[in-house]
Amino acid sequence: DSGVTQTPKHLITATGQRVTLRCSPRSGDLSVYWYQQSLDQGLQFLIHYYNGEERAKGNILERFSAQQFPDLHSELNLSSLELGDSALYFCASSVEGSTGANVLTFGAGSRLTVL
Amino acid sequence: EDQVTQSPEALRLQEGESSSLNCSYTVSGLRGLFWYRQDPGKGPEFLFTLYSAGEEKEKERLKATLTKKESFLHITAPKPEDSATYLCAVQAGTGFQKLVFGTGTRLLVSP
Repeated sequence: DSGVTQTPKHLITATGQRVTLRCSPRSGDLSVYWYQQSLDQGLQFLIHYYNGEERAKGNILERFSAQQFPDLHSELNLSSLELGDSALYFCASSVEGSTGANVLTFGAGSRLTVL
Repeated sequence: EDQVTQSPEALRLQEGESSSLNCSYTVSGLRGLFWYRQDPGKGPEFLFTLYSAGEEKEKERLKATLTKKESFLHITAPKPEDSATYLCAVQAGTGFQKLVFGTGTRLLVSP
């Protein structure tokens, strides 16, 4: 157990629907990152939150949004789902360091299947 | 733009047959290079962080090395339980601290 909790583990839904993925970071970690992993592309960075504020955006579609709440858990909202959104969605957390590289600890992921 | 290229895409070894995985990178100001292990259907598990050229780190049968342009993950006398996808990632010396990942090397070790 990495200490990063993601729910649900599996989700099957239809095109056009909306889903919410939830992430609880490790105790003490203020940063939350969301990544998408599909078969043909590997891990793609979506968005980064630090202590409730958005810090960076990557290849995140306009149909997707995220937020980090005061208790530091984060939610990734995916709307108007398309077949191509089927993927593993990972959340990672880290202790934000002012210098040096910081290690991201990943959750077990949420597998989204869009039919 | 930061880029990571891993080779080979897949590698099949016999138990005890040592080999190396390659990670080539281009990044504007390397803050750190990371190796992760990922088992099917699971999240990446942290293995190593390397910070500067010449640095080496070891863990059991794994040894990671770093030059200015690439990193190697050496696997000595692998066992079937070492079978996994090995991911390389870089973190740039800019304000935010995302990791940019390569597509990984799928390693299969046969008994």
